[in-house]
Amino acid sequence: NAGVTQTPKFQVLKTGQSMTLQCAQDMNHNSMYWYRQDPGMGLRLIYYSASEGTTDKGEVPNGYNVSRLNKREFSLRLESAAPSQTSVYFCASSYRDGRGGFTDTQYFGPGTRLTVL
Amino acid sequence: GDSVTQMEGPVTLSEEAFLTINCTYTATGYPSLFWYVQYPGEGLQLLLKATKADDKGSNKGFEATYRKETTSFHLEKGSVQVSDSAVYFCALSDLNNGGSNYKLTFGKGTLLTVNP
Repeated sequence: NAGVTQTPKFQVLKTGQSMTLQCAQDMNHNSMYWYRQDPGMGLRLIYYSASEGTTDKGEVPNGYNVSRLNKREFSLRLESAAPSQTSVYFCASSYRDGRGGFTDTQYFGPGTRLTVL
Repeated sequence: GDSVTQMEGPVTLSEEAFLTINCTYTATGYPSLFWYVQYPGEGLQLLLKATKADDKGSNKGFEATYRKETTSFHLEKGSVQVSDSAVYFCALSDLNNGGSNYKLTFGKGTLLTVNP
């Protein structure tokens, strides 16, 4: 199992450019998440998807859109990048237990380091 | 709302020293508590967790006890190694959005450096 994979690992954008960060998991997890990590701020939730076909806003959704393409993939799109979006972005996923209940342990990808000039 | 406060870093120790990283939380209900670790250049990994009061989570020599009376979940290790150098995050989870998902709330992270 590769676990949670993210592409690209690094990206430099100019202000106003757009891009999509890709995330995929091969653990058959139902729920997926996008976080950003900034120095001194910890991790903050941008968007999450409880299950295929659903997405919800997290703590800091402005300037981002997401797509839950299928059960495996959850992408994050920046339509018009701004310097304030310079950050490290992490994707995570979590599974349901044997009875179908949600579990609270999340599994993280290696991150995408994004710089917006 | 939920919040997690952990001690400011950075923390610098010599090999074989005792480690404590303090973590306190504010939450309604009965959250689960976690410590995640982030090694340089990598994503976060679950280090240990506890799901109810007085539970002790342990892994790789690290321990933390869920103390509801003091709303704390301090991370400890008796003898740190150079390979323990990383950023440590305290986190809690609670039901969110009517129970449809679990939301993790993270502390700001504590950088630990262990020197030989």
